[in-house]
Order: sequence, then C-alpha cells, then structure tokens
Amino acid sequence: EAGVTQFPSHSVIEKGQTVTLRCDPISGHDNLYWYRRVMGKEIKFLLHFVKESKQDESGMPNNRFLAERTGGTYSTLKVQPAELEDSGVYFCASSPRRAGAEQYFGPGTRLTVT
Amino acid sequence: KQEVTQIPAALSVPEGENLVLNCSFTDSAIYNLQWFRQDPGKGLTSLLLIQSSQREQTSGRLNASLDKSSGRSTLYIAASQPGDSATYLCAVASYNTDKLIFGTGTRLQVFP
Repeated sequence: EAGVTQFPSHSVIEKGQTVTLRCDPISGHDNLYWYRRVMGKEIKFLLHFVKESKQDESGMPNNRFLAERTGGTYSTLKVQPAELEDSGVYFCASSPRRAGAEQYFGPGTRLTVT
Repeated sequence: KQEVTQIPAALSVPEGENLVLNCSFTDSAIYNLQWFRQDPGKGLTSLLLIQSSQREQTSGRLNASLDKSSGRSTLYIAASQPGDSATYLCAVASYNTDKLIFGTGTRLQVFP
C-alpha cells in the first residue's frame, strides 16, 4: 500500500510569488490534514478535510492560504502571495474516517521564500 | 487550550542504555496520543498510537505508557542503538477534534 505522497519535496520562491503544494493521501482515507513547521517551532495544524469538505480550517494563518480537495482525493495548498514568514516544512497526513484513527504523514514539502 | 510539552529537549547517551522520553499535556480530554520519529530532512514515522482507554502500547524495543488523568505519557526505549538517533515527537488528538497538537520534540543521539 502506497503511503502519503507530497510534491514537490522542496520549493524555493521569491517573496510575492505563488506556490502550490500537492498531497496525495493513502487510498481510501477520507480524512486529510495539513500541518506545517516553521523554523524553531513545533508542528502546527492548518486544516482538516473530510472527503472534499473542509471540516476545520482554524489553523490557516490568513487568506493568502487556500486549500482544496477536488473530488475528495488529492489536495492542494496554494500560497499567494508568499511572504518570508511562510518558509517552513508543510506536512500532509491522512487517516481513515473513524474517531481516534492513526494519522499517517507524508515526507513534507520544504518551502523557502527568499 | 491544549498544550504539549516534551522533556528533555535533547538527550545524548551511549549505545545500550535504556531511555525514557517524557510528554505532558494540559487537557486530559483526549482521543489518543501518538509518538512519532523524525529523521533529519525526512517526514514523520508513526511509532505508537495509544487510545485514551489504553494504558500502554509496545512495539519491539519501544514501550509507550499513558496516564490520562495526570496528563503524561512516556516513551521507553530499551537497549538503545545508534540507529535510534532522531527527533521524537508526541502529539495528542483532543476529544471532539481530530487535529493533532504536537510537542516540540526530544532530539536523541545515541553514540557507539
């Protein structure tokens, strides 16, 4: 069974540019989560999809971040326009749809905004 | 608001030692607690998942315990090896929400 995959593994962009991160969850997992770690801080929750619906987006920092999950399969996280403080590692995780299910994480996308 | 703390922040030990990593959380209303391992530049590998109704979980040389009432979990690593060197993270899923709240991690180095 394939794990959670993320693309790209690393992205370097200039301030003001747009970047789109992609996450492919484990097949059959209805829950999809985005997290990020900025330098020196703990990993923090961004948002949670159940299938194609946003269940919880309380962790999204501002309206420069837009997440979508078309058809309840893969998800994209767009940052537009990117700012220096957006630099960090963005993780995606997925889990089956049951309470307390284990979350499986992808390798992350390292975003560097210069 | 749930807060997760891990102690110590860093640990360096000789090979063969038994280790205890600590994790504490402020709100005992949790679904579960997960321990992860992260190698430099890599993603998170799930080590153990303890449901709120459980007291401990074991996998190989790893044993994790959970005391929900006191807001504590420990990860016990037996007979440590250099390959155990990594950052260990604990995360809790609070009741009625699936999102994980992470601690800042314990950076472990096991030297030969």
